[in-house]
Amino acid sequence: KNEVEQSPQNLTAQEGEFITINCSYSVGISALHWLQQHPGGGIVSLFMLSSGKKKHGRLIATINIQEKHSSLHITASHPRDSAVYICAVNQGGSEKLVFGKGTKLTVNP
Amino acid sequence: GAVVSQHPSRVICKSGTSVKIECRSLDFQATTMFWYRQFPKQSLMLMATSNEGSKATYEQGVEKDKFLINHASLTLSTLTVTSAHPEDSSFYICSASSGTGSYEQYFGPGTRLTVT
Repeated sequence: KNEVEQSPQNLTAQEGEFITINCSYSVGISALHWLQQHPGGGIVSLFMLSSGKKKHGRLIATINIQEKHSSLHITASHPRDSAVYICAVNQGGSEKLVFGKGTKLTVNP
Repeated sequence: GAVVSQHPSRVICKSGTSVKIECRSLDFQATTMFWYRQFPKQSLMLMATSNEGSKATYEQGVEKDKFLINHASLTLSTLTVTSAHPEDSSFYICSASSGTGSYEQYFGPGTRLTVT
């Protein structure tokens, strides 16, 4: 069992829809990251959080430490949001990241 | 935000040759750099962690004599794939952290290696 589980694996939405991607982890963490990987391969760090909620534009990330769960929300989704979204955690005090398998999001016009 | 570059972005080499990939932090000092590889439709796999001025720490199953990592300065780390074979064809990504107590990692754009 992967220590970081993401759901769904694949997600197809229509432009304008509200998107939620979930991430659960099994051990104590120092930080949780949401990353975006476009088809070209480059990775962009969207959020790093250890508690509460962060918002950047149409993206919102939340984390519940007690439940070991995080969600990434995209409001008013757009085709350019199509990418793989990856959840990753720093376990304990380690700088190393443990990755989920990613969620492939496709937003159709 | 912090910028990390990688060079080259794509490389094709013949089996048996060596290939060097550079990872640079452009606007901050990276005390720690991480090297990952990613096979198609799979997640990133950490290969090694390198700290400036010291030997890299390799993950289990990664051959240190095959994947040579050098982190000679606070802005540059290199990964050399020695005696490359077709099975080494992959997407290699580096990331860097400033080590100031933050867990933030900044990722490079990746290098696609094809060994023929």
